[in-house]
Amino acid sequence: GQQVMQIPQYQHVQEGEDFTTYCNSSTTLSNIQWYKQRPGGHPVFLIQLVKSGEVKKQKRLTFQFGEAKKNSSLHITATQTTDVGTYFCAGTIYNFNKFYFGSGTKLNVKP
Amino acid sequence: SQTIHQWPATLVQPVGSPLSLECTVEGTSNPNLYWYRQAAGRGLQLLFYSVGIGQISSEVPQNLSASRPQDRQFILSSKKLLLSDSGFYLCAWSVQVGSNEQFFGPGTRLTVL
Repeated sequence: GQQVMQIPQYQHVQEGEDFTTYCNSSTTLSNIQWYKQRPGGHPVFLIQLVKSGEVKKQKRLTFQFGEAKKNSSLHITATQTTDVGTYFCAGTIYNFNKFYFGSGTKLNVKP
Repeated sequence: SQTIHQWPATLVQPVGSPLSLECTVEGTSNPNLYWYRQAAGRGLQLLFYSVGIGQISSEVPQNLSASRPQDRQFILSSKKLLLSDSGFYLCAWSVQVGSNEQFFGPGTRLTVL
C-alpha cells in the first residue's frame, strides 16, 4: 500500500504568497528526497535529507525532516511564477535502493 | 558527464499489442536503474528496479516485465498491452554508493487505444 502520503494535492497561490507541501510516512524513513517536475517534464532532484530534525535551505526553499523521520515539508517563501510545477517527496525505508514517492503537490502561481 | 536516454518519446499502441521501451545510461558504471509509471496528474509508481545485470525487483504485479541485459541498459516490456497501461513511463538511475539522488530520463508517453 501507499507508504508516503503527500498533501495537499493542489495549491493555487498568488505570486508572492508562501507555499508548503507536507509528506508523511507510517514508517520511519531512512532518508527523504524532494523533486520538482515542471509541466510536461521529468522530475528533477532538489535535495536530500538524512538526519533527524534536519533543516536545509535553497534560496527561497526550506526543507525539513521531522524528529521521528516520519514526516517532511517543503516551504517556498514568496512564490514566483517560475515555481510552478509538481513537487514530490520520495523516501527510502531500510532499502536505500527503493524509493517510495508521494503523490505530489501541484503548485500553480498566479501572476 | 552522465546522461540518460529513453525512447521513444511518444507511443500510441493498440490494446493487445506488445511493448518495448528502452533506457540507456552513459557516463557511469554499475548504476541502480528504475522504471516508474506516472498516470496523468498523479504521482510516480515504482514498477521495477535493478541493482545489477540480470537482477530485477518487481514492485507491482501486472502484465509488464523488465530486463537488464547490459550494465547500462534497462528495458520495459509487455506481451499484451492493456488500456490501463497508458501513462508516462520514466526511467531513472542512481549511484549505488553515496548520494542516491535519482536522475530521470525524458520519459515515454504511452497511449493505449
